[in-house]
Order: sequence, then C-alpha cells, then structure tokens
Amino acid sequence: QKEVEQDPGPLSVPEGAIVSLNCTYSNSAFQYFMWYRQYSRKGPELLMYTYSSGNKEDGRFTAQVDKSSKYISLFIRDSQPSDSATYLCAMRLGGGYNKLIFGAGTRLAVHP
Amino acid sequence: GAVVSQHPSWVICKSGTSVKIECRSLDFQATTMFWYRQFPKQSLMLMATSNEGSKATYEQGVEKDKFLINHASLTLSTLTVTSAHPEDSSFYICSAGQVIGTPLGNEQFFGPGTRLTVL
Repeated sequence: QKEVEQDPGPLSVPEGAIVSLNCTYSNSAFQYFMWYRQYSRKGPELLMYTYSSGNKEDGRFTAQVDKSSKYISLFIRDSQPSDSATYLCAMRLGGGYNKLIFGAGTRLAVHP
Repeated sequence: GAVVSQHPSWVICKSGTSVKIECRSLDFQATTMFWYRQFPKQSLMLMATSNEGSKATYEQGVEKDKFLINHASLTLSTLTVTSAHPEDSSFYICSAGQVIGTPLGNEQFFGPGTRLTVL
C-alpha cells in the first residue's frame, strides 16, 4: 500500500464547474498537507498549505484536511481552462522532518 | 515567493557520458535541497536530500555512485548523472528549503526541472 493514494484521473470538466480533488494517506503522523499544481514540463508550484485538520481558503481554492479519516481535499470553484494541469497532494511529518511524500497527481482538464 | 532555477532546462547526451544539472536558490539561502525524478505521467520520486556542507542522504534504491550530489554552498546544489544510460532519461526536479522553524522552513520551493534524454 502506498503511503499516499491519489486518483491519477484524467478528470475533465466544463469551464465554471466545481472541481474536487482528493488524497488518502495511511500514516497518521503526517501533520503538514500541501497541494501543488504542475503544468506540463514545469516544476510544481505550491497552491495551498495546511497544518493539521481544518479548512483553508484562498480565492477560488479551498483545502480541507480530515485527519480522523486520513483524507484531504482540494476544491476549485469556477474552474477555468487555465486551471488545466496536474494537481499533486503532498504531506510531511511534523518536527524537524521536511521530506515530502507526494501522491501520484491528478490530471485535470477544464474545457471551454 | 522564493525562486529556484535549474540549468540546463533540457539536455540530450550519448549513453555512457556524464551530465551535470545545477540547482540554484536565487533570493534565499537554502540549507536543504532535494532532488526528485519524475517519469511521464507519474509523481515525483525523491532521490536524495542534501544539506549544505554535508553528504547527501539517498533514498532506498537510488545509487549514490551513479547520482552524485554536491551542495557546496547555500545557493547551489548539483546533480551529476554518471555514465548515463537510456533508462536514466527522465525529468529531474530540485527543490530548496530552509531549516524547519524558519520563515521559509515549512515549504519547499521547486525549480522548473531539467529534461534529460539519453540516446
């Protein structure tokens, strides 16, 4: 079993739709949770960063962490064609550990 | 945010040659740098973690004699793929960060990646 599971998609939605991306994990010690966006042939860029459980909102993006279920989500409202990319969840332990464990990434296509 | 650059952005080489990839943190001092490899349509796989001035820590299954990592300064780390073979063709991405607890310590800032093709 992988430490972090993420459906690779692809996920295709019409412009304006609400997109839901999810990851599950097995290690209950993870404390920091991130979502990265990666365009084709580019490095990942950080979208959202959450510590422990709860919600965090930034513009059209909302990240949710449910540690009791070991489940994290990223919601994109009013999706745009420019949101078409691969979305990677990542997580790490607390304390002095900064090694990230990535999910497989979900490919999202938003069509006009 | 902090900026990380990589050079070259793409490289083609012959089998058996060595290739060096540079990773630079442009506007902050990176105490820790990470090297990842990404195959098409797959996630990032951590190869090694390097702290400035000390030897890199390699992940299980990564040959340290084949993938030489040097982190001689707080702004530069290099990855050298020695005696490259076609199976080493991949997208190599570095990231940089600081000690946990510092303002930039909770994030890793990624470079744009280097595409290596070994013929």
